[in-house]
Amino acid sequence: AQSVTQLGSHVSVSEGALVLLRCNYSSSVPPYLFWYVQYPNQGLQLLLKYTTGATLVKGINGFEAEFKKSETSFHLTKPSAHMSDAAEYFCAVSGLRGGGNKLTFGTGTQLKVEL
Amino acid sequence: GAGVSQTPSNKVTEKGKYVELRCDPISGHTALYWYRQSLGQGPEFLIYFQGTGAADDSGLPNDRFFAVRPEGSVSTLKIQRTERGDSAVYLCASSFSGTYTDTQYFGPGTRLTVL
Repeated sequence: AQSVTQLGSHVSVSEGALVLLRCNYSSSVPPYLFWYVQYPNQGLQLLLKYTTGATLVKGINGFEAEFKKSETSFHLTKPSAHMSDAAEYFCAVSGLRGGGNKLTFGTGTQLKVEL
Repeated sequence: GAGVSQTPSNKVTEKGKYVELRCDPISGHTALYWYRQSLGQGPEFLIYFQGTGAADDSGLPNDRFFAVRPEGSVSTLKIQRTERGDSAVYLCASSFSGTYTDTQYFGPGTRLTVL
């Protein structure tokens, strides 16, 4: 069973436009949620994470995500895209039942930013 | 400070050969993880070390895969009798203590190609 679903393997936006990358998880117990970014030929870098507390989480580079338990979602947004945001983005969860602390990743969304 | 490093960055081998992939975690991190990322997919968990011991090896695909961390720092992932299907990017990550909410810091990966 797929634990993390990222809708849209490729997303294209214009520079300055809103970025919205979708992530849904399937778990009877709310997991811990992460967004990572992968630039070409670089390692995964943490953008932000939700553990407990405030459901709106702010991360680096102007990104933020909101944990919505009722929708089992953790979508990533940025108000205004920049060319440097072009990369692949992965949503991940930990704390799944029987999963321990390992990260379970979605299949990724490639973000393209056009002039 | 220094991040997670992995060597080699690229490894090309022939089917049936033995390979070793090395990971140097961030100094002081007790938890170390190995993941495998196939083309077009998100990383998939292989094994997790807490100190010197493998706390969770549920992701190792079969007994051709083995990993060690003898002194609780550097880890080596060993693959025997390599197969073409083993071709992927092997990622190493470390975290401070290995809790569910810990940030995992990733290395740049080793790209393994089995001919």
